[in-house]
Amino acid sequence: NAGVTQTPKFRVLKTGQSMTLLCAQDMNHEYMYWYRQDPGMGLRLIHYSVGEGTTAKGEVPDGYNVSRLKKQNFLLGLESAAPSQTSVYFCASGWTAFNEQYFGPGTRLTVT
Amino acid sequence: SQKIEQNSEALNIQEGKTATLTCNYTNYSPAYLQWYRQDPGRGPVFLLLIRENEKEKRKERLKVTFDTTLKQSLFHITASQPADSATYLCALANFGNEKLTFGTGTRLTIIP
Repeated sequence: NAGVTQTPKFRVLKTGQSMTLLCAQDMNHEYMYWYRQDPGMGLRLIHYSVGEGTTAKGEVPDGYNVSRLKKQNFLLGLESAAPSQTSVYFCASGWTAFNEQYFGPGTRLTVT
Repeated sequence: SQKIEQNSEALNIQEGKTATLTCNYTNYSPAYLQWYRQDPGRGPVFLLLIRENEKEKRKERLKVTFDTTLKQSLFHITASQPADSATYLCALANFGNEKLTFGTGTRLTIIP
């Protein structure tokens, strides 16, 4: 089992460009999450999904959109990237809200 | 406002001693609390989960306590080894909440 994978691992964008981060999990988990991690801020939840076809806002959703068309995939989109979105992005998945979360390796995004 | 605080940004412990990390919270009524380990450049890895009605949990050299009166969790690593050096994150979720909120982490260094 690959667990949770994220694509790409690194990306540099110019301000105003768009991109999509892909998260895939092969554990048949219902719950999937997108976090961003910044120095001194810890992990902050952007959006999450409690099942295929569902999405919900987390703590810092502005500037991001998500989709969960297939149970195993959770996509994070940036429509118009801003320097404030420079961060490391982690995807995670879990069986329920009350179980441990499995994290991917992260995507390091720089917006110039 | 809700807040999760981990006792210090960095902690240095001599090899073989017990490392104790603290997680304090305010304005939460947590259903459970989790501890994760994060190595540089990697995603967090789940270690232990403790529920609000449990006082203590153990796993090999790890022990977690949860005091809802003090609003505090302690994470202990006994017989610490240099391989235990990492950042440790606590995370908690309120009852009825599908989301975890993470602390900013404590960077633990075990000195040989």
